[in-house]
Amino acid sequence: GESVGLHLPTLSVQEGDNSIINCAYSNSASDYFIWYKQESGKGPQFIIDIRSNMDKRQGQRVTVLLNKTVKHLSLQIAATQPGDSAVYFCAENIGTGRRALTFGSGTRLQVQP
Amino acid sequence: ETGVTQSPTHLIKTRGQQVTLRCSSQSGHNTVSWYQQALGQGPQFIFQYYREEENGRGNFPPRFSGLQFPNYSSELNVNALELDDSALYLCASSLTLTGRHADTQYFGPGTRLTVL
Repeated sequence: GESVGLHLPTLSVQEGDNSIINCAYSNSASDYFIWYKQESGKGPQFIIDIRSNMDKRQGQRVTVLLNKTVKHLSLQIAATQPGDSAVYFCAENIGTGRRALTFGSGTRLQVQP
Repeated sequence: ETGVTQSPTHLIKTRGQQVTLRCSSQSGHNTVSWYQQALGQGPQFIFQYYREEENGRGNFPPRFSGLQFPNYSSELNVNALELDDSALYLCASSLTLTGRHADTQYFGPGTRLTVL
């Protein structure tokens, strides 16, 4: 299958620990942000999203934090599991009309048993 | 599973040839976006189709073209293939409602294109 992220920054954590993946976005006009998970040989899988009028949003075992002042986004994964091992991308969308997503370069998460 | 399907899964072409990739969107979605993902990089936006018309284009040359059909499925066509076109081509479907903010894009598994 497709090998994704051969030279990406890597975060290595122990199973059961919490993981924090960071992302700096580029455009202050971006109003919608998404985190995707991509496993080898697969397309990106939606994890969680957040709109610019929010600072925090929680899902099942995941939390996204948005700091618009410094244009920073983070994804927190609680009780990381081996199945969480993948490449994680943040993506931003700039306003209505053009709904293209601009992706970051990705972070590889490796979960050690 | 997102319900977004793509065909073929893998494809090998030679320089100068033309290729057509296909995408079926998730039921109820009216918008399809295409992305190119080179090895080790994040997806790059090619273009988006909404109600059979192009609704935005990224920094790709005109030899990348597309279509959206009345059933909201879509095709990506690439003419005069170059070695650098080797990549994973992803389509994503979403529901666009007029005046609303962008809705979540759900991706298919991709088509792996190799140009020799």
